[in-house]
Amino acid sequence: KNQVEQSPQSLIILEGKNCTLQCNYTVSPFSNLRWYKQDTGRGPVSLTIMTFSENTKSNGRYTATLDADTKQSSLHITASQLSDSASYICVVSSYFSASKIIFGSGTRLSIRP
Amino acid sequence: KAGVTQTPRYLIKTRGQQVTLSCSPISGHRSVSWYQQTPGQGLQFLFEYFSETQRNKGNFPGRFSGRQFSNSRSEMNVSTLELGDSALYLCASSLEGLAGGNTGELFFGEGSRLTVL
Repeated sequence: KNQVEQSPQSLIILEGKNCTLQCNYTVSPFSNLRWYKQDTGRGPVSLTIMTFSENTKSNGRYTATLDADTKQSSLHITASQLSDSASYICVVSSYFSASKIIFGSGTRLSIRP
Repeated sequence: KAGVTQTPRYLIKTRGQQVTLSCSPISGHRSVSWYQQTPGQGLQFLFEYFSETQRNKGNFPGRFSGRQFSNSRSEMNVSTLELGDSALYLCASSLEGLAGGNTGELFFGEGSRLTVL
């Protein structure tokens, strides 16, 4: 069964600190992995998109890594800001799955001043 | 460049009614995909339309349907509403869509929040 699991479910850190969010997947055959940021009551906004051959991709203070062998990805946030408070969702696409795109349940990140 | 527009933003219906939601994609995008987001199930893929044809479908009952017009605008319809259909319904537009191997960015709208009483 194609699944995407994220950890932790929620995380609270102080402003200025770094954090790392995890995503493990069992989706096969793998096509690509995306990280999205979703503010409360808003639609998700794309942070990174990675294919099988990409190990690391950055978008400002956000850096995503992908290990296709172990089927793990991480999203590292550097020097967190209050505006980083949001849900971060890992999304994996499969070539042949009927649903094509599988979402993780997200990590709820709260930044405290 | 205008983003993805969803209407209405909020609506309240009662069980047994039906509802139609609208999504206007970014100009030039031919793919519109729909998603349901609930606190319990998270985001789930409903279906995707590309150039007026349904190209992919998730695991939802037939009460959930959609269509796409020649201008790429899309509508989704839910018939015989149930309490469990209360959710945020999101649409996303993209150039390439969700076909295997496509890595084009998905641009989401702000969603339509449906409450079923």
